[in-house]
Amino acid sequence: AQKVTQAQTEISVVEKEDVTLDCVYETRDTTYYLFWYKQPPSGELVFLIRRNSFDEQNEISGRYSWNFQKSTSSFNFTITASQVVDSAVYFCALSETSTGTASKLTFGTGTRLQVTL
Amino acid sequence: DAGVIQSPRHEVTEMGQEVTLRCKPISGHDYLFWYRQTMMRGLELLIYFNNNVPIDDSGMPEDRFSAKMPNASFSTLKIQPSEPRDSAVYFCASSSGLAVRYEQYFGPGTRLTVT
Repeated sequence: AQKVTQAQTEISVVEKEDVTLDCVYETRDTTYYLFWYKQPPSGELVFLIRRNSFDEQNEISGRYSWNFQKSTSSFNFTITASQVVDSAVYFCALSETSTGTASKLTFGTGTRLQVTL
Repeated sequence: DAGVIQSPRHEVTEMGQEVTLRCKPISGHDYLFWYRQTMMRGLELLIYFNNNVPIDDSGMPEDRFSAKMPNASFSTLKIQPSEPRDSAVYFCASSSGLAVRYEQYFGPGTRLTVT
Protein backbone atom coordinates (compact mmCIF):
# COMPACT_ATOMS: atom_id res chain seq x y z
CA ALA A 1 0.00 0.00 0.00
CA GLN A 2 1.15 3.50 -0.67
CA LYS A 3 2.34 5.65 2.18
CA VAL A 4 3.69 9.16 2.63
CA THR A 5 5.74 10.15 5.65
CA GLN A 6 6.44 13.69 6.72
CA ALA A 7 8.51 13.22 9.82
CA GLN A 8 8.72 16.90 10.69
CA THR A 9 5.57 17.85 12.52
CA GLU A 10 6.45 21.49 13.03
CA ILE A 11 9.30 23.76 11.99
CA SER A 12 9.96 27.29 13.16
CA VAL A 13 12.35 29.59 11.35
CA VAL A 14 13.15 33.25 11.31
CA GLU A 15 12.36 35.20 8.20
CA LYS A 16 15.00 34.96 5.46
CA GLU A 17 16.20 31.58 6.62
CA ASP A 18 16.12 28.68 4.19
CA VAL A 19 14.01 25.71 5.22
CA THR A 20 13.60 22.20 3.84
CA LEU A 21 10.51 20.10 4.35
CA ASP A 22 11.08 16.38 4.06
CA CYS A 23 8.84 13.85 2.35
CA VAL A 24 9.45 10.12 2.06
CA TYR A 25 7.08 7.84 0.19
CA GLU A 26 6.41 4.16 -0.35
CA THR A 27 4.83 2.65 -3.42
CA ARG A 28 5.04 -0.51 -5.48
CA ASP A 29 4.05 1.24 -8.68
CA THR A 30 6.72 2.15 -11.19
CA THR A 31 4.62 5.04 -12.44
CA TYR A 32 3.34 7.46 -9.86
CA TYR A 33 2.95 11.14 -9.14
CA LEU A 34 4.10 13.22 -6.22
CA PHE A 35 2.57 16.49 -5.11
CA TRP A 36 2.99 19.29 -2.65
CA TYR A 37 0.05 21.29 -1.35
CA LYS A 38 0.02 24.31 0.91
CA GLN A 39 -2.67 24.94 3.51
CA PRO A 40 -2.44 28.50 4.83
CA PRO A 41 -4.24 29.57 8.01
CA SER A 42 -7.31 30.41 5.95
CA GLY A 43 -7.77 26.67 5.42
CA GLU A 44 -7.86 26.09 1.70
CA LEU A 45 -5.52 23.61 0.03
CA VAL A 46 -3.37 25.14 -2.67
CA PHE A 47 -1.64 23.02 -5.29
CA LEU A 48 2.09 23.78 -5.57
CA ILE A 49 3.71 21.15 -7.75
CA ARG A 50 3.27 17.77 -9.43
CA ARG A 51 6.17 15.51 -10.38
CA ASN A 52 5.95 12.18 -12.17
CA SER A 53 8.15 9.24 -11.32
CA PHE A 54 10.10 9.40 -14.59
CA ASP A 55 11.21 12.96 -14.16
CA GLU A 56 13.91 13.32 -11.54
CA GLN A 57 14.95 16.80 -12.54
CA ASN A 58 14.85 19.24 -9.71
CA GLU A 59 12.44 22.08 -10.14
CA ILE A 60 12.69 25.68 -9.08
CA SER A 61 9.89 28.19 -8.96
CA GLY A 62 10.92 31.47 -7.47
CA ARG A 63 11.90 30.86 -3.87
CA TYR A 64 10.56 27.30 -3.99
CA SER A 65 12.53 24.29 -5.12
CA TRP A 66 11.91 20.58 -5.09
CA ASN A 67 14.40 17.73 -4.94
CA PHE A 68 13.10 14.37 -6.16
CA GLN A 69 15.33 11.34 -5.54
CA LYS A 70 13.94 7.95 -6.48
CA SER A 71 16.93 6.18 -4.92
CA THR A 72 15.85 7.35 -1.49
CA SER A 73 12.11 7.65 -2.25
CA SER A 74 12.17 11.27 -1.24
CA PHE A 75 10.59 14.42 -2.59
CA ASN A 76 11.83 17.30 -0.46
CA PHE A 77 10.70 20.89 -0.65
CA THR A 78 12.95 23.85 0.06
CA ILE A 79 11.90 27.43 0.61
CA THR A 80 14.72 29.89 0.18
CA ALA A 81 14.70 33.17 2.08
CA SER A 82 11.48 32.30 3.89
CA GLN A 83 8.84 34.94 4.48
CA VAL A 84 6.06 35.27 7.01
CA VAL A 85 3.53 34.56 4.25
CA ASP A 86 5.06 31.11 3.88
CA SER A 87 3.62 30.17 7.26
CA ALA A 88 1.27 27.29 6.56
CA VAL A 89 0.90 23.55 6.76
CA TYR A 90 2.53 21.82 3.82
CA PHE A 91 1.36 18.42 2.64
CA CYS A 92 3.18 15.96 0.48
CA ALA A 93 0.97 13.52 -1.44
CA LEU A 94 1.33 10.47 -3.67
CA SER A 95 -0.89 9.23 -6.48
CA GLU A 96 -0.41 5.80 -7.95
CA THR A 97 -1.53 5.05 -11.48
CA SER A 98 -2.30 1.38 -11.13
CA THR A 99 -5.89 2.06 -10.18
CA GLY A 100 -6.75 4.28 -13.11
CA THR A 101 -6.08 7.57 -14.78
CA ALA A 102 -6.71 9.82 -11.84
CA SER A 103 -6.37 7.72 -8.79
CA LYS A 104 -6.49 8.56 -5.16
CA LEU A 105 -4.15 10.96 -3.44
CA THR A 106 -2.54 9.68 -0.28
CA PHE A 107 -1.46 12.57 1.90
CA GLY A 108 1.24 12.78 4.49
CA THR A 109 0.39 14.17 7.90
CA GLY A 110 1.72 17.59 7.01
CA THR A 111 4.47 19.86 8.31
CA ARG A 112 3.48 23.07 9.99
CA LEU A 113 5.91 25.85 9.07
CA GLN A 114 6.02 28.95 11.23
CA VAL A 115 8.05 31.86 9.93
CA THR A 116 8.60 34.69 12.37
CA LEU A 117 10.14 38.13 12.06
CA ASP B 1 -12.11 30.98 -13.87
CA ALA B 2 -14.16 29.88 -10.91
CA GLY B 3 -12.54 27.26 -8.74
CA VAL B 4 -14.27 24.50 -6.86
CA ILE B 5 -17.22 25.91 -4.96
CA GLN B 6 -18.45 24.44 -1.71
CA SER B 7 -21.40 25.35 0.44
CA PRO B 8 -22.01 26.03 3.18
CA ARG B 9 -18.61 27.18 4.44
CA HIS B 10 -19.62 26.54 8.02
CA GLU B 11 -22.29 24.28 9.41
CA VAL B 12 -23.24 23.79 13.03
CA THR B 13 -25.84 21.18 13.77
CA GLU B 14 -27.08 19.03 16.59
CA MET B 15 -26.45 15.35 16.88
CA GLY B 16 -29.01 13.33 15.02
CA GLN B 17 -29.73 15.94 12.39
CA GLU B 18 -29.20 15.44 8.68
CA VAL B 19 -26.39 17.42 7.11
CA THR B 20 -25.91 18.03 3.39
CA LEU B 21 -22.70 19.44 1.98
CA ARG B 22 -22.59 20.70 -1.57
CA CYS B 23 -19.90 20.97 -4.22
CA LYS B 24 -19.62 22.42 -7.69
CA PRO B 25 -16.47 21.21 -9.46
CA ILE B 26 -14.43 23.15 -11.96
CA SER B 27 -16.16 23.16 -15.32
CA GLY B 28 -14.77 20.47 -17.59
CA HIS B 29 -13.29 18.36 -14.82
CA ASP B 30 -14.50 14.79 -14.92
CA TYR B 31 -13.24 13.60 -11.53
CA LEU B 32 -14.67 14.71 -8.22
CA PHE B 33 -13.32 13.80 -4.80
CA TRP B 34 -14.63 14.22 -1.26
CA TYR B 35 -12.07 14.40 1.56
CA ARG B 36 -12.34 14.82 5.31
CA GLN B 37 -9.71 16.51 7.44
CA THR B 38 -9.42 15.97 11.18
CA MET B 39 -6.61 16.46 13.64
CA MET B 40 -6.57 12.79 14.49
CA ARG B 41 -6.71 11.27 11.02
CA GLY B 42 -5.41 14.02 8.75
CA LEU B 43 -6.74 14.18 5.19
CA GLU B 44 -8.73 11.14 4.18
CA LEU B 45 -10.37 10.39 0.88
CA LEU B 46 -13.99 9.46 1.39
CA ILE B 47 -15.23 8.81 -2.14
CA TYR B 48 -14.54 9.80 -5.70
CA PHE B 49 -16.53 9.99 -8.92
CA ASN B 50 -15.61 9.79 -12.56
CA ASN B 51 -18.11 11.14 -15.06
CA ASN B 52 -20.70 11.29 -12.27
CA VAL B 53 -20.27 7.61 -11.40
CA PRO B 54 -18.93 6.61 -7.97
CA ILE B 55 -15.67 4.73 -8.48
CA ASP B 56 -14.38 4.10 -4.97
CA ASP B 57 -16.32 4.67 -1.78
CA SER B 58 -14.11 2.55 0.45
CA GLY B 59 -13.24 5.60 2.54
CA MET B 60 -16.82 6.35 3.52
CA PRO B 61 -16.79 5.71 7.25
CA GLU B 62 -20.21 4.13 7.62
CA ASP B 63 -23.69 3.90 6.21
CA ARG B 64 -24.61 7.22 7.70
CA PHE B 65 -22.56 8.81 4.93
CA SER B 66 -23.76 8.96 1.36
CA ALA B 67 -22.67 10.89 -1.71
CA LYS B 68 -24.29 11.60 -5.02
CA MET B 69 -23.37 13.30 -8.24
CA PRO B 70 -26.54 13.81 -10.27
CA ASN B 71 -24.74 15.78 -12.99
CA ALA B 72 -21.30 17.01 -13.98
CA SER B 73 -21.62 20.25 -12.09
CA PHE B 74 -22.99 19.21 -8.72
CA SER B 75 -22.31 16.75 -5.95
CA THR B 76 -23.59 16.29 -2.42
CA LEU B 77 -22.26 14.56 0.65
CA LYS B 78 -24.95 13.70 3.16
CA ILE B 79 -24.62 12.58 6.76
CA GLN B 80 -27.72 11.16 8.36
CA PRO B 81 -27.87 11.05 11.33
CA SER B 82 -24.90 13.22 12.24
CA GLU B 83 -22.74 12.52 15.29
CA PRO B 84 -20.20 14.66 17.17
CA ARG B 85 -17.34 12.56 15.79
CA ASP B 86 -18.30 13.72 12.29
CA SER B 87 -17.03 17.18 13.17
CA ALA B 88 -14.32 17.96 10.63
CA VAL B 89 -13.50 20.02 7.58
CA TYR B 90 -14.88 18.43 4.44
CA PHE B 91 -13.15 19.24 1.19
CA CYS B 92 -14.32 18.69 -2.32
CA ALA B 93 -11.74 18.52 -5.11
CA SER B 94 -11.91 18.06 -8.85
CA SER B 95 -9.48 17.13 -11.56
CA SER B 96 -9.31 16.39 -15.23
CA GLY B 97 -8.47 12.89 -16.29
CA LEU B 98 -6.81 14.08 -19.48
CA ALA B 99 -3.43 12.67 -20.40
CA VAL B 100 -1.04 14.23 -17.91
CA ARG B 101 -3.20 16.42 -15.81
CA TYR B 102 -3.48 14.76 -12.43
CA GLU B 103 -3.62 17.77 -10.15
CA GLN B 104 -6.61 17.94 -7.89
CA TYR B 105 -7.96 21.38 -7.18
CA PHE B 106 -9.61 21.82 -3.83
CA GLY B 107 -12.55 23.88 -2.72
CA PRO B 108 -12.38 26.07 0.38
CA GLY B 109 -13.89 23.36 2.54
CA THR B 110 -16.93 23.12 4.79
CA ARG B 111 -16.26 23.20 8.50
CA LEU B 112 -18.83 20.96 10.15
CA THR B 113 -19.47 21.07 13.87
CA VAL B 114 -21.89 18.55 15.37
CA THR B 115 -22.88 19.28 18.95
